Amino acid sequence: RKEVEQDPGPFNVPEGATVAFNCTYSNSASQSFFWYRQDCRKEPKLLMSVYSSGNEDGRFTAQLNRASQYISLLIRDSKLSDSATYLCVVNNDGGSQGNLIFGKGTKLSVKP
Amino acid sequence: GAVVSQHPSRVICKSGTSVKIECRSLDFQATTMFWYRQFPKQSLMLMATSNEGSKATYEQGVEKDKFLINHASLTLSTLTVTSAHPEDSSFYICSARAGAGNQPQHFGDGTRLSIL
Repeated sequence: RKEVEQDPGPFNVPEGATVAFNCTYSNSASQSFFWYRQDCRKEPKLLMSVYSSGNEDGRFTAQLNRASQYISLLIRDSKLSDSATYLCVVNNDGGSQGNLIFGKGTKLSVKP
Repeated sequence: GAVVSQHPSRVICKSGTSVKIECRSLDFQATTMFWYRQFPKQSLMLMATSNEGSKATYEQGVEKDKFLINHASLTLSTLTVTSAHPEDSSFYICSARAGAGNQPQHFGDGTRLSIL
């Protein structure tokens, strides 16, 4: 089983739609979780950290279910500029190394 | 804040050339820097982790003599791909982190390396 699994998509949605991405991770000892976005041929950029209580940043809401080892990202009122690949990222080591494990990403395409 | 600069952004060179990539944290001190590689349609794969003033820790399967990492200061790490071959062509990305392991990493712009 891969360490971090995501549906690769693509998710093709109209502007204004609500879209949700899911991610599962295999290491129950994982300590911290993030969503990054990566535009085509660019570096990943941190979108948001994911906390156990769930957290929201504007149109973006992230949820974590440690029991199910499941992370989600909800995007409301999609914009054209949201088109990108969304990477689910898990940190397996809270120590000095902080090894991030990346999913392959879920591709989102928002259409006019 | 948390800006990481990577240079060069694009390299095209002949097989056998050595290529040096720089990664700088511009507005914070990076206790740890990471080097990743991403092949087309694949996820980022960690190559090595470096702490300032220490030898880098390489992931399994990554040759330390081929991918030389120097982390001489809290704001600069370099990756040198020695005697590069076409199979080394990839997107190389550095990241930097200040503080503890549960803090997010901030990524450089990436270097697209093409070996002819």
